[in-house]
Amino acid sequence: NAGVTQTPKFRILKIGQSMTLQCTQDMNHNYMYWYRQDPGMGLKLIYYSVGAGITDKGEVPNGYNVSRSTTEDFPLRLELAAPSQTSVYFCASSSGGDNSPLHFGNGTRLTVT
Amino acid sequence: DQQVKQNSPSLSVQEGRISILNCDYTNSMFDYFLWYKKYPAEGPTFLISISSIKDKNEDGRFTVFLNKSAKHLSLHIVPSQPGDSAVYFCAASYLTGTASKLTFGTGTRLQVTL
Repeated sequence: NAGVTQTPKFRILKIGQSMTLQCTQDMNHNYMYWYRQDPGMGLKLIYYSVGAGITDKGEVPNGYNVSRSTTEDFPLRLELAAPSQTSVYFCASSSGGDNSPLHFGNGTRLTVT
Repeated sequence: DQQVKQNSPSLSVQEGRISILNCDYTNSMFDYFLWYKKYPAEGPTFLISISSIKDKNEDGRFTVFLNKSAKHLSLHIVPSQPGDSAVYFCAASYLTGTASKLTFGTGTRLQVTL
């Protein structure tokens, strides 16, 4: 019953460093998403994927990259960390297209100083 | 431009009473609405949804009402229980032919007191 697993849970980065947030799901979902949540704000879509090999930009993609080489994994890459990327990042997956509920991981809290 | 608005950041309700959480939206293209519940240090979990062709959907203690003319939806929890204490996010989407790209509100923190 793992669902969507995100690692790490917490990370502190210095400005300019890079890192990869890992996300894996065991529900055989085709659709996967990355959201960020800033304090007092709703979740904003960074990138999404409708299947292995297919990715597309969401609302706030600048400063991030993704890849989807397998159905299970959808890592999010930060190349040059900036303080504006301090946030909580949530990965999610769903079984279908429109209107399928999202299953979220427990988040990665990232601080860039 | 906040297309989905939850104007009440917090709400406190006594156990056993009704909790009413409100959500307004501005984009008339939205045709599907969802509520997610979030506990601290966890990801949001899906609670209930409603299509724009309906005005009410019920699931146990949870009922969502949709008023399309007012672009307003609400979540009713009856009776409220201490375990309902969480942050509730309203979300909306419209048919895009691809993935569910949800627009989320900013959340309402519900506290159910004994």
